[in-house]
Amino acid sequence: AQSVTQPDIHITVSEGASLELRCNYSYGATPYLFWYVQSPGQGLQLLLKYFSGDTLVQGIKGFEAEFKRSQSSFNLRKPSVHWSDAAEYFCAVGYLRNDMRFGAGTRLTVKP
Amino acid sequence: ETGVTQTPRHLVMGMTNKKSLKCEQHLGHNAMYWYKQSAKKPLELMFVYNFKEQTENNSVPSRFSPECPNSSHLFLHLHTLQPEDSALYLCASSREAGGSYEQYFGPGTRLTVT
Repeated sequence: AQSVTQPDIHITVSEGASLELRCNYSYGATPYLFWYVQSPGQGLQLLLKYFSGDTLVQGIKGFEAEFKRSQSSFNLRKPSVHWSDAAEYFCAVGYLRNDMRFGAGTRLTVKP
Repeated sequence: ETGVTQTPRHLVMGMTNKKSLKCEQHLGHNAMYWYKQSAKKPLELMFVYNFKEQTENNSVPSRFSPECPNSSHLFLHLHTLQPEDSALYLCASSREAGGSYEQYFGPGTRLTVT
């Protein structure tokens, strides 16, 4: 069965520092990959998605993610974190004719 | 109105009450979803509707009853709930059902069962 793992429950970074959030998936087929962000009391907002082609994808708010098939990973990165980036981040994996599966989330805290 | 809207945003109900959550999408999508989000647990898919037909029911207790009268509207009828049903209920929509289409989420309804 398909599954999504976000190994880090909580990450703290200083404002201006770089960020990398990890995501691993398990399944044999080529996945559709997504990153979502959720601010407190809000729904999930799509940051970026990967379907095919260039393995480095750009998203909104200065985020990017890289698909590495050999590592079954789709890590989210940002070169310089802003205080407004503090939120919960969810990785999601989907396949044709299967529902999307979400990771448990990584909570990001940004220190001044 | 744009995107996905949900009403009410907050709901407090007793275990013997009957209430309904409403979701509306203005994106022209054909699939709609209900998710339950509890503290410290992954997002739980509850129901999926594709072109108004229910295609998924993830072993959800019968005290939750979905209704999808058309592709733009989705309801979740609640009755005889338990305290453990307190959670954030999220509605989402996508072009069609399936994992290849990105989903767009509403802001959620925060439900408290007393």
